[in-house]
Amino acid sequence: ETGVTQSPTHLIKTRGQQVTLRCSSQSGHNTVSWYQQALGQGPQFIFQYYREEENGRGNFPPRFSGLQFPNYSSELNVNALELDDSALYLCASSPGLAGPSTDTQYFGPGTRLTVL
Amino acid sequence: QKEVEQDPGPLSVPEGAIVSLNCTYSNSAFQYFMWYRQYSRKGPELLMYTYSSGNKEDGRFTAQVDKSSKYISLFIRDSQPSDSATYLCAMRVAGSHTGRRALTFGSGTRLQVQP
Repeated sequence: ETGVTQSPTHLIKTRGQQVTLRCSSQSGHNTVSWYQQALGQGPQFIFQYYREEENGRGNFPPRFSGLQFPNYSSELNVNALELDDSALYLCASSPGLAGPSTDTQYFGPGTRLTVL
Repeated sequence: QKEVEQDPGPLSVPEGAIVSLNCTYSNSAFQYFMWYRQYSRKGPELLMYTYSSGNKEDGRFTAQVDKSSKYISLFIRDSQPSDSATYLCAMRVAGSHTGRRALTFGSGTRLQVQP
């Protein structure tokens, strides 16, 4: 069974640029969530995709957008990068089962984004 | 006020000590509780998952939930240097809609186990 994978590992961008981060979910999982983790903080929920549709969103502006593909992999896109966007971006997949008691999220290693 | 409060530490203990990590929360709708371990520059790894008040044990780890006090704990017995990491508590509301299953995290407690 393959776990959650993310690419790239590290990324350096300048303010105003756009970035795309990628995530492959764990085998058998149809739900992908994205989180932003600033240094010294816990992860903050950005949004979640379930069967290719956005299915919940945290307190992030519209310049944060995403996609989920038929194979359940996902992309996070950030436009007009700001210095405060520098963080570890984490992808988590979950089975998306009807029973909430078993719907647990498993995280990938993250992509570290630095905005200069 | 944050929905989930967690002491950032750092917490330094000698090898073999019992470690107690704690979180408090304010949202009574939280029904599912998790502890994740995060090594430096890595993604969080799920350690414990529970959804009822009381204790749940898994090897050297015990998760404790007190919903009436809005307080959760993680105990680590016989701590090892390899346990040195940041421990994150996380929780979410109940609900059949998957969009309601976003996790709310504490800020993490950094643990250092000295050999």
